Amino acid sequence: DTGVSQDPRHKITKRGQNVTFRCDPISEHNRLYWYRQTLGQGPEFLTYFQNEAQLEKSRLLSDRFSAERPKGSFSTLEIQRTEQGDSAMYLCASSLRTALNTEAFFGQGTRLTVV
Amino acid sequence: AQKITQTQPGMFVQEKEAVTLDCTYDTSDPSYGLFWYKQPSSGEMIFLIYQGSYDQQNATEGRYSLNFQKARKSANLVISASQLGDSAMYFCAMTERSNSQGGSEKLVFGKGTKLTVNP
Repeated sequence: DTGVSQDPRHKITKRGQNVTFRCDPISEHNRLYWYRQTLGQGPEFLTYFQNEAQLEKSRLLSDRFSAERPKGSFSTLEIQRTEQGDSAMYLCASSLRTALNTEAFFGQGTRLTVV
Repeated sequence: AQKITQTQPGMFVQEKEAVTLDCTYDTSDPSYGLFWYKQPSSGEMIFLIYQGSYDQQNATEGRYSLNFQKARKSANLVISASQLGDSAMYFCAMTERSNSQGGSEKLVFGKGTKLTVNP
């Protein structure tokens, strides 16, 4: 078990370009979350998968954003027509709900800079 | 909706001393979980400690303890014997149940406290 991994760690893109991030959760975890963290703020929830089903999306997730989790394993987050306001750290987390708690394990994040 | 408030943007502590990071929360849900995460400059969110709303005792994990005062809706983190490696951002968070199918139990975070440990 190597924890949650995210790729790439850093991405610089020009405004208007599309970008895609990947998250590999801990293998036995059925829950996967995407969060966005802007400078000076705590992470904010974007979307949630239980296995392959995307069960919840935040209002922060505009129609330029799309996330998938085929086969309930890795997940991708795509941003189309990037804007400068999309510059942030994108964090992925996974968890396996137990009777006691729902501790989420986070990856190291993908830092996006839109220029 | 749940809300987390961390009123200390920055805190300083001398190495080997104890420090308390404040966290208050607001929720109408009788069942919830409270978490503290550490975020070093590398960006990864590292889980530190968890407290369930029905837990009778304060949670402890090594040098970390959570001072849970349910009536005051506070969940302060106490770090004992601070080390230089404790310098980082610290985030308090709580689970927010959703009404959607599957119940995501996503986390709601505060704005964080930057802790600096001085030698």
